[in-house]
Amino acid sequence: GQNIDQPTEMTATEGAIVQINCTYQTSGFNGLFWYQQHAGEAPTFLSYNVLDGLEEKGRFSSFLSRSKGYSYLLLKELQMKDSASYLCAVRVLLRGYGGSQGNLIFGKGTKLSVKP
Amino acid sequence: DADVTQTPRNRITKTGKRIMLECSQTKGHDRMYWYRQDPGLGLRLIYYSFDVKDINKGEISDGYSVSRQAQAKFSLSLESAIPNQTALYFCATSSRGEAYYEQYFGPGTRLTVT
Repeated sequence: GQNIDQPTEMTATEGAIVQINCTYQTSGFNGLFWYQQHAGEAPTFLSYNVLDGLEEKGRFSSFLSRSKGYSYLLLKELQMKDSASYLCAVRVLLRGYGGSQGNLIFGKGTKLSVKP
Repeated sequence: DADVTQTPRNRITKTGKRIMLECSQTKGHDRMYWYRQDPGLGLRLIYYSFDVKDINKGEISDGYSVSRQAQAKFSLSLESAIPNQTALYFCATSSRGEAYYEQYFGPGTRLTVT
């Protein structure tokens, strides 16, 4: 089966750094996404990793280790507006399709609360 | 204007009623998806379509049906709504034209079945 685990909730302080971990066990791995979702709103794309290593985008970085089935999202210089849920999602390939014809399997999300 | 729109945004209906949720997009994407989100369960895929003539069941398709009327429109129907279909429903789109084939989500429809 497909399984993606991430902590349910985390709390951090404004200005600090927080790391949100994601572990996965899936078949046909073809990339890992991180999405941000504010309460009651649509998820929005943050980052994508398909090769091992770190991808940096401003205050946000995402890391992937395919051999360990592990990723993390690192948020630096936390701001109050970063209070949101962070969704880890793995793209799995579909049988009979090539290239990137895959679907996303989502973790349950990590609710991050940033406090002053 | 939003690239992916959903109507209605909120809907309360009664058990046994038929209801349709609609999704439209102006992104020119070929792929469209319907998800539901429940507290503690995350996003789960209901149906997906890679082009107008392609419809596929997702993880939790029982009790739902879809129609891809055009490349830009993808509707989700609940033939006979039941209370455990109360959830937040999202439509999403993607395309090989995007760098990572990432999915773009509509604003969601909050559905309550009483």
